[in-house]
Amino acid sequence: AQSVSQHNHHVILSEAASLELGCNYSYGGTVNLFWYVQYPGQHLQLLLKYFSGDPLVKGIKGFEAEFIKSKFSFNLRKPSVQWSDTAEYFCAVRTDTGRRALTFGSGTRLQVQP
Amino acid sequence: NAGVTQTPKFRVLKTGQSMTLLCAQDMNHEYMYWYRQDPGMGLRLIHYSVGEGTTAKGEVPDGYNVSRLKKQNFLLGLESAAPSQTSVYFCASSPLAGTNEQFFGPGTRLTVL
Repeated sequence: AQSVSQHNHHVILSEAASLELGCNYSYGGTVNLFWYVQYPGQHLQLLLKYFSGDPLVKGIKGFEAEFIKSKFSFNLRKPSVQWSDTAEYFCAVRTDTGRRALTFGSGTRLQVQP
Repeated sequence: NAGVTQTPKFRVLKTGQSMTLLCAQDMNHEYMYWYRQDPGMGLRLIHYSVGEGTTAKGEVPDGYNVSRLKKQNFLLGLESAAPSQTSVYFCASSPLAGTNEQFFGPGTRLTVL
């Protein structure tokens, strides 16, 4: 079965610092990759997704992610974080098994200090 | 459009009680899912449905049942609640065609005493 690993469980940054959150998955076939964000007290919202084509994908609010197939990775980046980016971030993968459900990582809690 | 809605938002149960969580979507999506979210474990799939009248088990189905009698509704039932089922439950839906972006509901916080 596929799995998703998010190595950083809790990240604390100051405003304007750069962000990179790691995500690795274990599946050798075709994958679709997602990053979701959950702001405090809210439900999950899609930040960005990769299906095919350019491995560098841009999402909302200045976030981007790069799919590196050889490393089974899909790391999330933002050049300059804001206090409003404080949230929990989840990486998720959908494989070509037909189930269409997502497998989520355990999440990374980002705290941005003003 | 309301998107995906869930009722109730909060619930406290005693061990052994039963309850049903309701998920409704107005986007005419074929696929619907129930996840539970626990600290440090992300979201785990409980059950899912690929269409009206169909259901299937996910990663953690034990202790839960589901039904999809109408396309827009997906019910999650707990027949005999246990403290281990204390969690936040999220429903999601996705369309049949195109990308598999899942749209999530606001969640139900369930506490089992």
